[in-house]
Amino acid sequence: AQSVAQPEDQVNVAEGNPLTVKCTYSVSGNPYLFWYVQYPNRGLQFLLKYITGDNLVKGSYGFEAEFNKSQTSFHLKKPSALVSDSALYFCAVSTMIYNQGGKLIFGQGTELSVKP
Amino acid sequence: DAEITQSPRHKITETGRQVTLACHQTWNHNNMFWYRQDLGHGLRLIHYSYGVHDTNKGEVSDGYSVSRSNTEDLPLTLESAASSQTSVYFCASSELGGLGTEAFFGQGTRLTVV
Repeated sequence: AQSVAQPEDQVNVAEGNPLTVKCTYSVSGNPYLFWYVQYPNRGLQFLLKYITGDNLVKGSYGFEAEFNKSQTSFHLKKPSALVSDSALYFCAVSTMIYNQGGKLIFGQGTELSVKP
Repeated sequence: DAEITQSPRHKITETGRQVTLACHQTWNHNNMFWYRQDLGHGLRLIHYSYGVHDTNKGEVSDGYSVSRSNTEDLPLTLESAASSQTSVYFCASSELGGLGTEAFFGQGTRLTVV
């Protein structure tokens, strides 16, 4: 069965410092991985995805994610954090059933707090 | 602009009542999904649909039902609301596509069952 784990409930970072939000996955076959962000009282917004190709994926708002097959990880990164990046971040993996695109399995979420 | 809207945004209901949460998308997406969000669990899939008249059960479907009579709408019905169904509910939609297709989410409905 596929699963996603986000080992940290909360990450605290000072503004201007680099940030990393961790995600590990378990799938049979090639993974299709996603990051979403949820701001307070809002829905989830798509940040980026990995399907195939370059292990470093660039997304919205200056975020990027590094896919590591040997470590089964897909960590979200940003070189310089902003206070406005404070939000809840979700890692997700797509179901491996063909033609069932959009059906996602989510991690439990990581609360990112960026302090001035 | 195309969008996905949920209504109501907040709802308080009593145990045992039937409740319907609306979801309407103007993306013309074939795929629609309902998730619930609970602390410590992330989002869990309740029901989903890959087209008109198609519905499927997700991970936590007990006590919920959906119907798809057109492309734009996927209402979620709680047949007899229970306190365990107090949660935030998100509707999402995506294009008919492969495994790398991202989903677009509504703003959510906060449901409280008292």
